[in-house]
Amino acid sequence: DSGVTQTPKHLITATGQRVTLRCSPRSGDLSVYWYQQSLDQGLQFLIQYYNGEERAKGNILERFSAQQFPDLHSELNLSSLELGDSALYFCASSPRGGGVSYEQYFGPGTRLTVT
Amino acid sequence: KNEVEQSPQNLTAQEGEFITINCSYSVGISALHWLQQHPGGGIVSLFMLSSGKKKHGRLIATINIQEKHSSLHITASHPRDSAVYICAVVGHHGGADGLTFGKGTHLIIQP
Repeated sequence: DSGVTQTPKHLITATGQRVTLRCSPRSGDLSVYWYQQSLDQGLQFLIQYYNGEERAKGNILERFSAQQFPDLHSELNLSSLELGDSALYFCASSPRGGGVSYEQYFGPGTRLTVT
Repeated sequence: KNEVEQSPQNLTAQEGEFITINCSYSVGISALHWLQQHPGGGIVSLFMLSSGKKKHGRLIATINIQEKHSSLHITASHPRDSAVYICAVVGHHGGADGLTFGKGTHLIIQP
């Protein structure tokens, strides 16, 4: 158990809909990362937040957005869903502070199926 | 953009064999991660390296910064080591450290 929690575990929805994925980082970790794992693209970095502020963007679509709240949990919002958005979405956290890389701890993932 | 290449893509070995998985990358990095993903989908961080060598149990990871290359070794392999092993790198992004991933090595250890 990494200490990172994600809800829900599974989500099935229809094209065009909007969903919200939630992540709670390990206690004390300030950075949250979102990753997408699909069959054709593999694992891709979407976005990073550090202590409530957006730190870096990866291959995140404009239809997707995220935020990190004062209690450090994070939400990833996916809208106007397409079949190709079906994937495993992972959240990871790390202590991350000031120019030094730390180990990242992954949550169990949310499996999104768009029908 | 950093390109991360892993080899082999698939590896089947017998229990007890010494396993080596290789990772090379194209651009200078601040750190390299080795991750393990089990069939259920969960991802576990095995190592984070910025130089030299690390060992944990039967697992050893090495990195050569000049050659932009890392290896993950498993000694005395066991069927429970069967998983996908993923190499991921962190570039020099001024404080941002989202990972760039290789495609993974699918390892099967047969009893």
